Formats: sequence, structure tokens, C-alpha cells
Amino acid sequence: NAGVTQTPKFRVLKTGQSMTLLCAQDMNHEYMYWYRQDPGMGLRLIHYSVGEGTTAKGEVPDGYNVSRLKKQNFLLGLESAAPSQTSVYFCASRGTPGQPQHFGDGTRLSIL
Amino acid sequence: AQSVTQLGSHVSVSEGALVLLRCNYSSSVPPYLFWYVQYPNQGLQLLLKYTSAATLVKGINGFEAEFKKSETSFHLTKPSAHMSDAAEYFCAVSGGSNDYKLSFGAGTTVTVRA
Repeated sequence: NAGVTQTPKFRVLKTGQSMTLLCAQDMNHEYMYWYRQDPGMGLRLIHYSVGEGTTAKGEVPDGYNVSRLKKQNFLLGLESAAPSQTSVYFCASRGTPGQPQHFGDGTRLSIL
Repeated sequence: AQSVTQLGSHVSVSEGALVLLRCNYSSSVPPYLFWYVQYPNQGLQLLLKYTSAATLVKGINGFEAEFKKSETSFHLTKPSAHMSDAAEYFCAVSGGSNDYKLSFGAGTTVTVRA
């Protein structure tokens, strides 16, 4: 079982460049999430999805966009990268209520 | 809205000593509570969860946590620390089965001294 797979694992961007982070899950989960992790701040929710074709804003959505065209995939886009978006990004998915979220291994993104 | 406070950003213990990580939560509804562990350069792995069944919850790797409603706490313990327990630990809360979001604490880094 692959679980939650994030692509790429590392990336360095220049300010103003754009990129898309891909998250894929093979557990048939309805709910998917994108978080960013910064030292001393825990995980903060960027965007989430409660099913195919739906997206919603989390705590820190500015500067990011998402899409959920297929149930198994959840894409996170940075249209114009800024140094403040240097972080580790985690994708997670969840099945039925009460079940825990399952996390990918993260994408380490540096913006110069 | 739900929130979590983890007391102590760093905890250092000797190998074989008790590990105690503190978590207090606030929730307007009966909460679901989780502890996750993160090893260096890895994602978060579930240690244990509380979802309104037994108040003492046993997890993986010898960890357990006790839900105390009167104290709004969900502290994590392990009787005897092992070197492999060195990691960062996160407490998280959701507002029961109708809340599909998790709120995370800031995390506690555990170091284990030989």
C-alpha cells in the first residue's frame, strides 16, 4: 500500500516562479488536506477538500490555489512564489468521521 | 472552534525514564483527540486516538494517553524511554465526527539521553 504519495520531495524555486505540488492517495478517501509546517508553529491548514470537485480554504490560504479533479488527487499550486512560502508541505487524507488523517512524507520547498 | 496547547517545546529524558508530554485542548463539542509522531525528514505517523470510547488509550510503541474531560487534557506517556523515541510529537483535536479538520499543537521535540 502506497498510502499518500507526494511529488516532488524537494524543490528550489526563484521568487515569482510558479509550480504545482501533487498529492495522490490510494485509500479511496473523501477528504484531502494540504498543510504547511514551519518551525514552532505546528501544522497549519492551507486548503482542504471534502470530495471530488470540491475545495475550501483553511487557515492560511493566501498565495495558494488547489484543485480536486479526481478523487485520488489533490493539487496545490503556487502562482507566484514568495520567500515566505519556503516551508515543508504535507498532504493528508481521511476516510470516515472519527478516523485519523494519513500523511505523506512531505515536500520541502525553498524559494530564493 | 477547537485549539490545542502543548506545554514545553522541548523535553529531554534519560533512556529508561518516564516520558510525559502535555496537551491541553479547548473544544465546544466533545472532541476527537490524536497524538502523532514525526521522525526527521518524514511525515506524521499516528500514535493513538481518542474518539469517546475508553478514556485511557493505548497506542503504538508503548505509548498511552489519558483523556481527562475535567482538566481538558490528553497527556501522552511512556513508562520507559528508548533512544528510538527521539522525535517530534504533535497533539491534535477535531470537533467530533462532524468536524473534518484537525487543529494541531506547536509540537514537542523529545531528545533521549543515553
